[in-house]
Amino acid sequence: SQQGEEDPQALSIQEGENATMNCSYKTSINNLQWYRQNSGRGLVHLILIRSNEREKHSGRLRVTLDTSKKSSSLLITASRAADTASYFCALVTDSWGKLQFGAGTQVVVTP
Amino acid sequence: EPEVTQTPSHQVTQMGQEVILRCVPISNHLYFYWYRQILGQKVEFLVSFYNNEISEKSEIFDDQFSVERPDGSNFTLKIRSTKLEDSAMYFCASSAQGYNSPLHFGNGTRLTVT
Repeated sequence: SQQGEEDPQALSIQEGENATMNCSYKTSINNLQWYRQNSGRGLVHLILIRSNEREKHSGRLRVTLDTSKKSSSLLITASRAADTASYFCALVTDSWGKLQFGAGTQVVVTP
Repeated sequence: EPEVTQTPSHQVTQMGQEVILRCVPISNHLYFYWYRQILGQKVEFLVSFYNNEISEKSEIFDDQFSVERPDGSNFTLKIRSTKLEDSAMYFCASSAQGYNSPLHFGNGTRLTVT
């Protein structure tokens, strides 16, 4: 399979807590990207991590990539109710930038 | 910040009819994509478009589908003879540099085939 698989499928936390979700894959990648989708809306790009990178940060987001284990993780620190959304990892394996999405992790942050 | 715009936001059509979904990508982007998401399922790649031609397409993108960039700004997806199973959210996306740059998505067109 050239798609990532996210784990867990759903995550429910309280405001202020950290949320961690994982993405595993089976193929070689050019890069791996994380996107957020609010219900019924388009996907918003969060972070792109290249295959030769191990960690990237953006605000309260931290992404790691372990190509030897073919896995990535997304950490959201100090979560807020506004972080409630579905989070998807997407693999890029070709030169055209085609994204191959996993099924996503649905995160609910309660005040 | 520049954004990808899609019209219409909702489209209801009868089975067998043709629909055209429209997108205006970000103006300096060179790579264009269509994805779809059936309710409750994952986002699926349909087609990528670069230099005025299809660069890659999925198994879903059969002869029923076509894409066009009729002018310098619009990017359209045409679905001929729609089927019930074509009901989905259709997302347009664009990127500046292909594989090493992020995709910017529109808010989608919800297509309902009755």
